[in-house]
Amino acid sequence: EAGVAQSPRYKIIEKRQSVAFWCNPISGHATLYWYQQILGQGPKLLIQFQNNGVVDDSQLPKDRFSAERLKGVDSTLKIQPAKLEDSAVYLCASSPRGSGGTEAFFGQGTRLTVV
Amino acid sequence: RKEVEQDPGPFNVPEGATVAFNCTYSNSASQSFFWYRQDCRKEPKLLMSVYSSGNEDGRFTAQLNRASQYISLLIRDSKLSDSATYLCVVTSSGGSYIPTFGRGTSLIVHP
Repeated sequence: EAGVAQSPRYKIIEKRQSVAFWCNPISGHATLYWYQQILGQGPKLLIQFQNNGVVDDSQLPKDRFSAERLKGVDSTLKIQPAKLEDSAVYLCASSPRGSGGTEAFFGQGTRLTVV
Repeated sequence: RKEVEQDPGPFNVPEGATVAFNCTYSNSASQSFFWYRQDCRKEPKLLMSVYSSGNEDGRFTAQLNRASQYISLLIRDSKLSDSATYLCVVTSSGGSYIPTFGRGTSLIVHP
């Protein structure tokens, strides 16, 4: 079974530039998550989708971050404009349904450096 | 108070030692609990789920104490390969299941 695919693996941009990350979840998984993990911290949930609907985006900085999952399959996360503090690993994860009682499978992440 | 709290460590133990981590959570309505393992510069991977009755998988034992709102992970006979960060995950339901990670506890097992 193919895992969660993310691209790119690494990205370096200057502050105030834009960047987009892509995620393809495991086939058939209804729930998709985007997490931000800053060095030395645990992953912080940015947004959770159930199919193509948003379940929770309370921690997404909506003035600069946006995410979509138009067809209920793959998803993109965008940052515009980027700030230095956005430097982190952006992890995408998926699970078969709502995460209650079920495992979330993570992609390898995109390591973003903002300079 | 943070939703999910863990001692970041590091816990530095010799091979063969027994080590235990705790994780406390603030939402008494939390539904599901997990321990994930994260190796350096890798993605988190599920280590084990935590059930109300407790569960054991080889050298690993996880327990849940709902009254005191904490979960624990016990590792017996530590191996060098157990060196990693152990992340506690608590899932709460307000209609939808929202997973929240702790900051992780770093374990270093030395020869």
